[in-house]
Amino acid sequence: ETGVTQTPRHLVMGMTNKKSLKCEQHLGHNAMYWYKQSAKKPLELMFVYNFKEQTENNSVPSRFSPECPNSSHLFLHLHTLQPEDSALYLCASSPRGLKDNEQFFGPGTRLTVL
Amino acid sequence: LAKTTQPISMDSYEGQEVNITCSHNNIATNDYITWYQQFPSQGPRFIIQGYKTKVTNEVASLFIPADRKSSTLSLPRVSLSDTAVYYCLVGESSDYKLSFGAGTTVTVRA
Repeated sequence: ETGVTQTPRHLVMGMTNKKSLKCEQHLGHNAMYWYKQSAKKPLELMFVYNFKEQTENNSVPSRFSPECPNSSHLFLHLHTLQPEDSALYLCASSPRGLKDNEQFFGPGTRLTVL
Repeated sequence: LAKTTQPISMDSYEGQEVNITCSHNNIATNDYITWYQQFPSQGPRFIIQGYKTKVTNEVASLFIPADRKSSTLSLPRVSLSDTAVYYCLVGESSDYKLSFGAGTTVTVRA
C-alpha cells in the first residue's frame, strides 16, 4: 500500500460521456502527477501540480481537464474522449515536490472508451 | 535525460538470483540511477536508487561500476511474486520528469 488511492479502479465510458477520475494521498506530499500508460507504450507524464498549482501540461488534449483543490486531492475530468484514450491512468505524488524522482504511484484507473 | 537500454525480457525460476543490466552510456555527472517495479495493472513502485558502487536495501541490490555507464539490479532468490516489469531510469535525483522506457519483463516460474 503506497498511500495513494485512485477511484474508480475501472471505468467504461462512451465518447459522449463526462466522467472524473479521483486521486487521493494523505502522505503529506506536495507534488501530484497524472500519467497515462497505453498498451505497449511507456508511461507518459500528463500533468504536474506542485502545492496545488499546475506547473506542467505535456501537450495534453483539452478533453482532459485536471483539477487540484488541495494538496491531497487530484482529479482528472474527462469529456468527449476517443477510443484511443483507453489506457491505464496513474496518479502519483512525491514528498519533496518538484525536486524528487522518488514518486509514489496509485493503482491506476483502467479506462475503456467505447 | 540519458537514454537507457535494458533487455526486453528475462526468465527465471524461483529461488534464483536475477540480474538485470541497464546501459546508460551518456549518463551525466549529476545523474542518479533509479529502478522501479511495476506489477500488471498497478502503478510503478520505487525500488532502489544509487549514484556509484553498491547500494542495498531489503528488496534489491544495485551495482554501479566506476565508469557509471551501466548498472545492474540484482534480485536475490526471486519468487513468483517478483514477476513484473522493471524500469531503469537515469536522471538527477531532483528531476521529477521520470522517463520510463519499455522496461524489462521478468517472469519467474515455479
